[in-house]
Amino acid sequence: GAVVSQHPSRVICKSGTSVKIECRSLDFQATTMFWYRQFPKQSLMLMATSNEGSKATYEQGVEKDKFLINHASLTLSTLTVTSAHPEDSSFYICSAREARQANIQYFGAGTRLSVL
Amino acid sequence: AQSVAQPEDQVNVAEGNPLTVKCTYSVSGNPYLFWYVQYPNRGLQFLLKYITGDNLVKGSYGFEAEFNKSQTSFHLKKPSALVSDSALYFCAVRDLNTGFQKLVFGTGTRLLVSP
Repeated sequence: GAVVSQHPSRVICKSGTSVKIECRSLDFQATTMFWYRQFPKQSLMLMATSNEGSKATYEQGVEKDKFLINHASLTLSTLTVTSAHPEDSSFYICSAREARQANIQYFGAGTRLSVL
Repeated sequence: AQSVAQPEDQVNVAEGNPLTVKCTYSVSGNPYLFWYVQYPNRGLQFLLKYITGDNLVKGSYGFEAEFNKSQTSFHLKKPSALVSDSALYFCAVRDLNTGFQKLVFGTGTRLLVSP
């Protein structure tokens, strides 16, 4: 199947700093990318959806100024957690949907964010 | 709204025995259903999907799922479980009523296969 690369896999930062997470589709063009957050022993919560070149659509309750999403190209999306706080500590997972196989979403390996 | 339910938080099975992980769905219209598996500290891996066609769908790693319209179910099955199958399994439905047709996930079922 298609490969989605997410980087970094783990990041530890101080409270008040910003963290950028990258998500790349390695062997396909991702027309749509998704960002999820997963709490321990819970399901995935969709944070936002983005199409290449357009603004992200955020789910209700997700602060767009705190979680900045950029989908600059058909192979790259970034999530920036701005002014991170300990409550932002979580597992963040990106996902991409290919234009040709639009029925399947491929997932990155996730990023474990720990804010001290 | 489209939704899926996974009634079991955990399923325990002995290696070599058949396994079933349950999923029921609630959708308006035809369902697009998926199963994903997640290993610890990893993203989700696609196992299989049902869009249309045969009710029995075969997927990766020997898994299959049966679409049952009358029971609104899409249970994941495998004839003979392996210890390496131990992981978290998510059922999902694609919400065709939203612009991006996002995936809606169940709460997940942890599968534990004992040696």
